[in-house]
Amino acid sequence: SAVISQKPSRDICQRGTSLTIQCQVDSQVTMMFWYRQQPGQSLTLIATANQGSEATYESGFVIDKFPISRPNLTFSTLTVSNMSPEDSSIYLCSVPLGPQLGGYTFGSGTRLTVV
Amino acid sequence: QKEVEQNSGPLSVPEGAIASLNCTYSDRGSQSFFWYRQYSGKSPELIMFIYSNGDKEDGRFTAQLNKASQYVSLLIRDSQPSDSATYLCAVRPGNTGKLIFGQGTTLQVKP
Repeated sequence: SAVISQKPSRDICQRGTSLTIQCQVDSQVTMMFWYRQQPGQSLTLIATANQGSEATYESGFVIDKFPISRPNLTFSTLTVSNMSPEDSSIYLCSVPLGPQLGGYTFGSGTRLTVV
Repeated sequence: QKEVEQNSGPLSVPEGAIASLNCTYSDRGSQSFFWYRQYSGKSPELIMFIYSNGDKEDGRFTAQLNKASQYVSLLIRDSQPSDSATYLCAVRPGNTGKLIFGQGTTLQVKP
């Protein structure tokens, strides 16, 4: 099954700055997903990262705030731009486990604190 | 109405008992259903997925799906203290790849 390496694992950032989160997968995957988990909450999908085209954003999330790159089938980045304390969350990427396995696996997450 | 609903708990069971976790969903077109376990400070870990009505068993875990009633459940037999975690129900609408998560149920297994 696919294995994801996500970094950084955590960061503390000043408001108004940006942070780029990276996910590297050990196999080629068509779809990659970015989720946010706010403190004490469940996971909310931010966007689907598409290789070779713009990401598809969910309601309430916009490209200017969360630009995503997907340069190839094994790598994606999510940038959290112009951060405010409300952006303090865990950010996770996710990919399908494998063509025959069903389900999705997650990266280890990036715990972001904005001060 | 939330798309995927779970009782947030905590659900407390004694060690060795059966823990029953429930989830309802609103989209009748949903095709795939997943249970994830999340320990504090960790990312979600897939326990089981189920596509068809009925039961699916894997070791101490049984997933149950009833599409007519739009509910999914997870039974954990012989619960262990190491099962103490938050259990997330997730639904995949139609043929999309994305998942919609419930708010999770916190399970506490007391020795």
